[in-house]
Amino acid sequence: GAVVSQHPSWVICKSGTSVKIECRSLDFQATTMFWYRQFPKQSLMLMATSNEGSKATYEQGVEKDKFLINHASLTLSTLTVTSAHPEDSSFYICSARDSRRATDTQYFGPGTRLTVL
Amino acid sequence: SQQGEEDPQALSIQEGENATMNCSYKTSINNLQWYRQNSGRGLVHLILIRSNEREKHSGRLRVTLDTSKKSSSLLITASRAADTASYFCATVAIYNQGGKLIFGQGTELSVKP
Repeated sequence: GAVVSQHPSWVICKSGTSVKIECRSLDFQATTMFWYRQFPKQSLMLMATSNEGSKATYEQGVEKDKFLINHASLTLSTLTVTSAHPEDSSFYICSARDSRRATDTQYFGPGTRLTVL
Repeated sequence: SQQGEEDPQALSIQEGENATMNCSYKTSINNLQWYRQNSGRGLVHLILIRSNEREKHSGRLRVTLDTSKKSSSLLITASRAADTASYFCATVAIYNQGGKLIFGQGTELSVKP
């Protein structure tokens, strides 16, 4: 149980285009999901907290108009990188908390590797 | 924002040896968690230790927590080549800001057969 999927697993796009990444909790409900980015050989940096039915909470320094987050259902959150540029190339990982369980454990998706040419 | 530091940054050992990784953090915490990440993959939750706990075991894993020193250690006993991965500690602040995790810098463990 507690499986989180991400789609796509990798994407290559041209500079200036927008890319949407989906994060799904497959066998549990998640009122809260998190989006991270990770550069090579570095740790995860939290970008934003995604709350079902409300606006996302962004970390300091993360442009909310650049990284659009929509958490429309209890099992799906999406991250859209708008007008992507090469510096946005990174590994994007989502995680989710099981709403029914009183635990801070997060379940992570397999990640999406974004390459912007 | 990153608040934790881990050492060593990289650790190379032989199969069968024990591996110890340390993590320090800066703020008061509700709990501390350890995760493993295989190269280019997502993270796998290993163990959670609460602020009122001092030691916890799970299989070949042993985690200690010293809140007075704001530090934790992860011990992997009888390591295997399959344990090769990056290991991260992550904390949940005492005021539990939505349960968000603050990650340490990670330790890259290499276990040679």
